[in-house]
Amino acid sequence: AQKITQTQPGMFVQEKEAVTLDCTYDTSDQSYGLFWYKQPSSGEMIFLIYQGSYDEQNATEGRYSLNFQKARKSANLVISASQLGDSAMYFCAMREAVFNQAGTALIFGKGTTLSVSS
Amino acid sequence: NAGVTQTPKFQVLKTGQSMTLQCAQDMNHNSMYWYRQDPGMGLRLIYYSASEGTTDKGEVPNGYNVSRLNKREFSLRLESAAPSQTSVYFCASSDPGLVSEQYFGPGTRLTVT
Repeated sequence: AQKITQTQPGMFVQEKEAVTLDCTYDTSDQSYGLFWYKQPSSGEMIFLIYQGSYDEQNATEGRYSLNFQKARKSANLVISASQLGDSAMYFCAMREAVFNQAGTALIFGKGTTLSVSS
Repeated sequence: NAGVTQTPKFQVLKTGQSMTLQCAQDMNHNSMYWYRQDPGMGLRLIYYSASEGTTDKGEVPNGYNVSRLNKREFSLRLESAAPSQTSVYFCASSDPGLVSEQYFGPGTRLTVT
């Protein structure tokens, strides 16, 4: 079963608008971490934001915020005031606390391509 | 402070050839990882090393071997390359722990013909 599901292959938004990128996850662990990474066309992986399963407040980093709904197992990324430079692939990822086959590695979703137009 | 470095950046191999992808990190991280990225598939874990001297298989280990040479270096070897191994390969490192961010190298784009 997929651990991380990103159902939006592509999203389109106009500059200065907000956009939400969806992410749902599957885990039986009580302790886990959720990450979002950005991959621009140049290919590098850029860390954006982190949310811990026990964090009571939604994480925020500048224009990025994470809408964490634990009961629904969702961790959506919200980008406010989109900019042309936000055009990229965005990956949701999870790390589980219990030791599993992947050890401490991140498990990634398949990604969402965001296109920002002027 | 270079972070995570990978060599080479690009490589073209013929089917059956072998090669080693090199990765080094200067952040004193215990854990290192190799991922492959294919279109529409996200990043999939090939092998990881939780600490110096240990390595374990990830989701897609077939056709690969790894060596954790020391704390800094973690190499990925393709013994007999196949077209199905055409991909972008990322090395990453992190501290252990739930909240630790993974730092990624710039990637190696490998084409097997």
